[in-house]
Amino acid sequence: DAGVIQSPRHEVTEMGQEVTLRCKPISGHDYLFWYRQTMMRGLELLIYFNNNVPIDDSGMPEDRFSAKMPNASFSTLKIQPSEPRDSAVYFCASSLVGGRGANVLTFGAGSRLTVL
Amino acid sequence: RKEVEQDPGPFNVPEGATVAFNCTYSNSASQSFFWYRQDCRKEPKLLMSVYSSGNEDGRFTAQLNRASQYISLLIRDSKLSDSATYLCVVSFSGNTPLVFGKGTRLSVIA
Repeated sequence: DAGVIQSPRHEVTEMGQEVTLRCKPISGHDYLFWYRQTMMRGLELLIYFNNNVPIDDSGMPEDRFSAKMPNASFSTLKIQPSEPRDSAVYFCASSLVGGRGANVLTFGAGSRLTVL
Repeated sequence: RKEVEQDPGPFNVPEGATVAFNCTYSNSASQSFFWYRQDCRKEPKLLMSVYSSGNEDGRFTAQLNRASQYISLLIRDSKLSDSATYLCVVSFSGNTPLVFGKGTRLSVIA
């Protein structure tokens, strides 16, 4: 298995532009999570899905952020419009719902976003 | 009060040293506990789960104290390759999201 795949790995954009981050979870994993990591705040959960359904989006900073999971193999996190304070590393992670692998997250390599 | 708190470090130790990290969590109902490791500019990866009776994996020993709500990680005979940030992770139950501490940075020096 190729693991959790994220794109782009790096993005530099200007304030006000739309940013779309993409994630392909591990096949067979039921849960998908979006985290954001900054030096100041560490890893923060933004939103998570179970079987493609959003379960908790209380971590999404504001209406500028949205996430979708149209099918079991693809999710997007969109920021529109982007602001400099959105600069961070955005991680996607997936996990199994039960069994030995339950609650063990496998992370993607992350998308490093810089908003100028 | 943050849900999971760790000393940010950095801990600078010589090769071969023993080093210990502690972590405290605020929710007494927490059920699952882990240590993740994150190398510089990389993603976090599971190091080990933490079980109630304590557990060991080679040079690494994890312990849980539910009464005091803290978790510890002991690394014996430190190697240069142990240099990383160690993240303490907690969850309330098997299917709820993991809550991460901000991490403790370790540098092992030759």
